[in-house]
Amino acid sequence: EVQLVESGGGSVQPGGSLRLSCAASEFTFNFFWMNWVRQAPGKGLEWVANINEDGNEKYYVDSVKGRFTISRDNARSSLYLQMNSLRAEDTAVYYCARGWRSAFDTWGLGTMVTVSS
Amino acid sequence: QSALTQPASVSGSPGQSITISCIGTSSDVGGYKYVSWYQQHPGNAPKLMILDVSDRPSGVSNRFSGSKSGNTASLTISGLQAEDEADYYCSSYTYSSTYVFGTGTKVTVL
Repeated sequence: EVQLVESGGGSVQPGGSLRLSCAASEFTFNFFWMNWVRQAPGKGLEWVANINEDGNEKYYVDSVKGRFTISRDNARSSLYLQMNSLRAEDTAVYYCARGWRSAFDTWGLGTMVTVSS
Repeated sequence: QSALTQPASVSGSPGQSITISCIGTSSDVGGYKYVSWYQQHPGNAPKLMILDVSDRPSGVSNRFSGSKSGNTASLTISGLQAEDEADYYCSSYTYSSTYVFGTGTKVTVL
């Protein structure tokens, strides 16, 4: 079964950093774009960033540009999100999602990030 | 990158049909055939229901259908069932090679 498992969430103070990971299994990881999508408590979905199959194309939502960096390790079938200069408004569940035909066809269960002093 | 506009809530009785709208601009919904729809039950991850405006992934009920006219996309649920009660989100590819989600719609089965 195709599976995505996120990890690395936790509580951090404003201005701090976290690195999220997403482990993929049961599909050929390097054939797919990969995405991060977040959802603040009680709020809607927000697309955060994506990366192409070989990692040389990356796109971000304006609110995280210059603070977040998406990357991947195809040898490890893993996706990452380095989050720096975290703000309270970054508090959310962060989902890893596989890209397929301009949609997101497989999602992980998410990892919670809380930014608070 | 403003969120696409969806009604906050839509309701219907079992067996009825409901339609959820998703209003964007010519830079997203209106400019591409890349609108998708997601169902999210409380506490769960989203599930892809429709992609490329009107295509259903394998395993999704044919009671779900999608369409688009101009800058507005729509999701129709026919033969409404109790299990359809959930939050629904649209998403579109944008001119800046990014994605944007809708504000979300809570569907209630009366």
